Amino acid sequence: GAGVSQSPSNKVTEKGKDVELRCDPISGHTALYWYRQSLGQGLEFLIYFQGNSAPDKSGLPSDRFSAERTGGSVSTLTIQRTQQEDSAVYLCASSPGLASEQYFGPGTRLTVT
Amino acid sequence: QQQVKQSPQSLIVQKGGISIINCAYENTAFDYFPWYQQFPGKGPALLIAIRPDVSEKKEGRFTISFNKSAKQFSLHIMDSQPGDSATYFCAAIPSSGTYKYIFGTGTRLKVLA
Repeated sequence: GAGVSQSPSNKVTEKGKDVELRCDPISGHTALYWYRQSLGQGLEFLIYFQGNSAPDKSGLPSDRFSAERTGGSVSTLTIQRTQQEDSAVYLCASSPGLASEQYFGPGTRLTVT
Repeated sequence: QQQVKQSPQSLIVQKGGISIINCAYENTAFDYFPWYQQFPGKGPALLIAIRPDVSEKKEGRFTISFNKSAKQFSLHIMDSQPGDSATYFCAAIPSSGTYKYIFGTGTRLKVLA
């Protein structure tokens, strides 16, 4: 079946602009995650959604970052008033449930100029 | 705070050699230990995983060894090939019901031809 997809694959934006990154998880997966990965670095957890439960937002670095998941499927990560330090690859992953591996999308490379 | 410590940070191995990457965790309440492989410009992909009731799992040239008493698990890549050159992440999935998985910091492997 189809894997996790993300769009756009690349995004270049000017400092101060807002951006929206989209994630389509694997059908039927109840959990959805967002991570940030700076060049050559590990995975920085941002937020996760599980079913209808309140999302765990503990990894969001500032209030400029927000995310929503509509209908338990597609998710959008929004970064307002982007800063140069927001430049990174933003990865989305989905999981079928508890104690299950995550399946990652290809990521969105964000460059803030 | 739960952590997974991964070593080494980088590794260079000759073609045909054995690559060994180690991870150690600090909390016993984990259900699942997956390893991910990431090529440049791509999202991480699940490589192999093990549950704590098993001491070893082998899939082709890839083997996970798990030492529950030492709270350590490792990835062995036998007959390493240049195509194995990638970044490898270990992870631990909590059994507490949280969906916030714990990732290691990654090991950059280079296999020389």
